[in-house]
Amino acid sequence: GAGVSQSPSNKVTEKGKDVELRCDPISGHTALYWYRQSLGQGLEFLIYFQGNSAPDKSGLPSDRFSAERTGGSVSTLTIQRTQQEDSAVYLCANPGANVLTFGAGSRLTVL
Amino acid sequence: EDQVTQSPEALRLQEGESSSLNCSYTVSGLRGLFWYRQDPGKGPEFLFTLYSAGEEKEKERLKATLTKKESFLHITAPKPEDSATYLCAVQAGGSNYKLTFGKGTLLTVNP
Repeated sequence: GAGVSQSPSNKVTEKGKDVELRCDPISGHTALYWYRQSLGQGLEFLIYFQGNSAPDKSGLPSDRFSAERTGGSVSTLTIQRTQQEDSAVYLCANPGANVLTFGAGSRLTVL
Repeated sequence: EDQVTQSPEALRLQEGESSSLNCSYTVSGLRGLFWYRQDPGKGPEFLFTLYSAGEEKEKERLKATLTKKESFLHITAPKPEDSATYLCAVQAGGSNYKLTFGKGTLLTVNP
């Protein structure tokens, strides 16, 4: 597609449930990044994909967080056993022309 | 550890009242400093990249400047539509697009 598309735009879940967040990147872009924006905090790097491989997962906050990418395109960020501190906006981005282009994000609220 | 501090946290201006936003940083080998604009409910939108001290870039009412320790985003004669959160981020040498972001400055321009 022309831009980075993320779904769902909003997700409300109960503590302890699993959630999946999806990113459809810009067509043809091999690199993909996930960031998290918590209330009152700056954007934090989570994970970086090059193709289907994730050479840098250093930003994932715990083993409840995982991500995969298939076909060098769509990526899914999965959070297991969600906690209230996981509430945040999760942003996906593609680099191109020396610029990181972000999607609109998925807002996750854990009750 | 790379760090970015933005000030002020919030700024209220009258339409036409020029001002500046500050971004102080420490980074191991600056590869690039980025300014983004973020509107409520949307992902960050790219504004500028600066690469070396002394560099300046302009776009409409915005001008970004860079020194070895900080960057300024100057806003000349702002309009209400300039109201947004402005984010600063640094890219360290060799870090691809694993950016370190500041917490942002929330700018409100009143008519």
